[in-house]
Amino acid sequence: GAGVSQTPSNKVTEKGKYVELRCDPISGHTALYWYRQSLGQGPEFLIYFQGTGAADDSGLPNDRFFAVRPEGSVSTLKIQRTERGDSAVYLCASSQGLAGGSEQFFGPGTRLTVL
Amino acid sequence: AQSVAQPEDQVNVAEGNPLTVKCTYSVSGNPYLFWYVQYPNRGLQFLLKYITGDNLVKGSYGFEAEFNKSQTSFHLKKPSALVSDSALYFCAVRESDTNAGKSTFGDGTTLTVKP
Repeated sequence: GAGVSQTPSNKVTEKGKYVELRCDPISGHTALYWYRQSLGQGPEFLIYFQGTGAADDSGLPNDRFFAVRPEGSVSTLKIQRTERGDSAVYLCASSQGLAGGSEQFFGPGTRLTVL
Repeated sequence: AQSVAQPEDQVNVAEGNPLTVKCTYSVSGNPYLFWYVQYPNRGLQFLLKYITGDNLVKGSYGFEAEFNKSQTSFHLKKPSALVSDSALYFCAVRESDTNAGKSTFGDGTTLTVKP
């Protein structure tokens, strides 16, 4: 079956611009997660959704970052007024809920470069 | 707060020898623990997890990990390494008591298996 997909695979933008990153989770997975991975580091938690609601957004670095999941499936991570420090690989993952410590299935990531 | 430490940036072993990749964690309450592997140009893949029960957990590709509560460790092991095991390995922790979805990852250990 289809795994987690993310679009675009690469995004180059200029400082100050707005970007949207999209994630399509595995069908039927109720939990969806966003992470940011910088070179030489592990994934850094940003936000996770259980259904349509953001259950924990404590990892979002500031109010320039926002994520939605309006129908409980596809999610979009939105970054306003991008800064060079936002450059990283943005990873999306999904899981069959949280019960029993469900493992996460990761997408290939979107590499964001802010010039 | 929860955290993960992978004390070795790099582990080198010869093919056929046993391998260990170390992980220690800190979490309030009881942990869910995970190992993921990242091959070049591919997304993170789940290897194994500890939820409860037997402290020795077996996973994909012949890997296993031992949960040690007193040492707060979850080291990844394999009795006989293969060249194809060469990859980047991440340990992750999640708090189990509140069933929270937030996972914290270590910074990764690069495993190199030489023929």
